[in-house]
Amino acid sequence: AQSVAQPEDQVNVAEGNPLTVKCTYSVSGNPYLFWYVQYPNRGLQFLLKYITGDNLVKGSYGFEAEFNKSQTSFHLKKPSALVSDSALYFCAVRDPISSGSARQLTFGSGTQLTVLP
Amino acid sequence: KAGVTQTPRYLIKTRGQQVTLSCSPISGHRSVSWYQQTPGQGLQFLFEYFSETQRNKGNFPGRFSGRQFSNSRSEMNVSTLELGDSALYLCASSPPDGREDTQYFGPGTRLTVL
Repeated sequence: AQSVAQPEDQVNVAEGNPLTVKCTYSVSGNPYLFWYVQYPNRGLQFLLKYITGDNLVKGSYGFEAEFNKSQTSFHLKKPSALVSDSALYFCAVRDPISSGSARQLTFGSGTQLTVLP
Repeated sequence: KAGVTQTPRYLIKTRGQQVTLSCSPISGHRSVSWYQQTPGQGLQFLFEYFSETQRNKGNFPGRFSGRQFSNSRSEMNVSTLELGDSALYLCASSPPDGREDTQYFGPGTRLTVL
């Protein structure tokens, strides 16, 4: 079975400071990992993904994430936070070995990011 | 390209009624997945359809069902609504190329059961 943990329900950071939103995962094979962002009363917006290759993945709006296989982590980062980054962030995983061609994602519980002006 | 669209955006029903939600995927996408989002349970996978066939199903009771049409549009149905079915229902579509693998979400349908 695959699972994702986001250990922090809430992260507060000052505008202009770097931000990190943590994610750890558990799968039986090599994971496909994703970050999504959700603004109030909206659906999920894709930020970035790791499938294979370079461990540092760059995504939309200046976000990046680093895949660390030994620590089973995929933390989301941004060098300089903006107030407009305040939103709910979800990490998700898919294990292509167990799920085959099916696209089912398993999501973490979400982390509310607040960037303070 | 237009994004994933879901209708209606908001819905209010009473217990015992049934409801049908609609999802139109991004043009060219053949995989459609449905998720339920609640404050208590978070985001949970309901089912996935690909080429009109259910490819995968989450751990939900049989009151939750879905289908996909030949144009890839999908509907989900919930019968005999319960208060706990109040949630944001999200639809996502994926391109046919397996290497892409990204799911693109619609804005959701907010269902309130009274």
